[in-house]
Amino acid sequence: EPEVTQTPSHQVTQMGQEVILRCVPISNHLYFYWYRQILGQKVEFLVSFYNNEISEKSEIFDDQFSVERPDGSNFTLKIRSTKLEDSAMYFCASSRGSPLHFGNGTRLTVT
Amino acid sequence: GIQVEQSPPDLILQEGANSTLRCNFSDSVNNLQWFHQNPWGQLINLFYIPSGTKQNGRLSATTVATERYSLLYISSSQTTDSGVYFCAVELYQGGSEKLVFGKGTKLTVNP
Repeated sequence: EPEVTQTPSHQVTQMGQEVILRCVPISNHLYFYWYRQILGQKVEFLVSFYNNEISEKSEIFDDQFSVERPDGSNFTLKIRSTKLEDSAMYFCASSRGSPLHFGNGTRLTVT
Repeated sequence: GIQVEQSPPDLILQEGANSTLRCNFSDSVNNLQWFHQNPWGQLINLFYIPSGTKQNGRLSATTVATERYSLLYISSSQTTDSGVYFCAVELYQGGSEKLVFGKGTKLTVNP
C-alpha cells in the first residue's frame, strides 16, 4: 500500500537555525497537510495545500513557517528561525479528499 | 470551532480485558477517523468511519453521526495495544478537508 514518507525521522537543531522538514506524499494525492504534536498533547493542524497554494492555515502557522512543493513530488515545511517551543513531532499528510493518510512524523528537537 | 471530547483520558487494563473508548463531537462532520499512536509516535490509522460499524480483527468502531459520537471497541486486549488512541473529525474548510483531533485516550495494557 502506498505510504507518505517523511525525512528525517529525528532532527536536532539549535535555536535560531532554519530547518526544512521533507515529505513525499502518495503520488496521486492532491491535498497536502502539515500537523504538529507537542509532546504529550493533541495533534494540531498547521496548514493545508492544494493546487500549489495554501488553502488554509492555523494561527500557529505564522511568518516563521512556509511550505513548498518544489518539484511535484516533495512537500516541505520550513521553519526560518526555530524557537524552543517549536520542539514537537511534525506530521505530513496527503489525500485525494478523504481519508487523510499520515506519514510517520519527524521529531524536531530545538536546543 | 468544533469541540472533540474523548473519554476516558486514561485507561489501565489487564491483558485479555475488553474496553470501550468514546469520542463526542459538538457539530456535524463530514467524516471521522480513529488513530493509534504507538510508543514511537507513529499515527496508525485504525478506522475511517463516517457512520455505521466497522470491524478489523479485535477492534471495531461505531459512529452515530446524528447523535455526534463514535465508539472504539477493543476486545481481548494485548500489551501491544498500549498507546494513545485519537479520534479526529473531518471538516471541509477553505477548499480542503481538515482533521480536528481530540486529546486522546492513553491506554495501558498490563501483562
